[in-house]
Amino acid sequence: KAGVTQTPRYLIKTRGQQVTLSCSPISGHRSVSWYQQTPGQGLQFLFEYFSETQRNKGNFPGRFSGRQFSNSRSEMNVSTLELGDSALYLCASSSTGFGFVNTGELFFGEGSRLTVL
Amino acid sequence: AQSVTQPDIHITVSEGASLELRCNYSYGATPYLFWYVQSPGQGLQLLLKYFSGDTLVQGIKGFEAEFKRSQSSFNLRKPSVHWSDAAEYFCAGNTGGFKTIFGAGTRLFVKA
Repeated sequence: KAGVTQTPRYLIKTRGQQVTLSCSPISGHRSVSWYQQTPGQGLQFLFEYFSETQRNKGNFPGRFSGRQFSNSRSEMNVSTLELGDSALYLCASSSTGFGFVNTGELFFGEGSRLTVL
Repeated sequence: AQSVTQPDIHITVSEGASLELRCNYSYGATPYLFWYVQSPGQGLQLLLKYFSGDTLVQGIKGFEAEFKRSQSSFNLRKPSVHWSDAAEYFCAGNTGGFKTIFGAGTRLFVKA
């Protein structure tokens, strides 16, 4: 079974630009979560989607947004990039949902490393 | 507020020595608990999980963790550390909601 796939793996942007990151979950997983990882702040929860609905959101400004498609693939977007947005963005999928106990067990992709200059 | 705390930012252990990484949680109810490991530049891999039942859980790569309700702890242990265990370790918790909370992580250094 293929794992969680994130694209692109690495990207460099300049301040003020926007970026879109993509995540394909494990087949059959309908929940996708996004995390921002930085050396100073650790793993910070961005948002979680299930069946194209955002069910939970972390404490990030409105510049951070996401969506989920009917095939469970998810994208996140960051607009008006700031230097502080440089981070590893991790996507994780989970088998939570109808017929599954939501245990919070997550399966992670390798991440998208964003550098903002 | 719900939280997961890892009091040690980094730990250095000699190869072959035993290891214990500490984790404390603060939740209204006992959460589902996890330990993940992250190698440099990689995503997180699940080492083990506690849902209920036996308080000592076994994981991959020879790791185990013990859940202690009275101490709100879920410490990770390994009897003999290998150089390849050098990585960052994250404790995490979830109460069945849509958000898993992670501790700040403990970086493990292994010296020869």
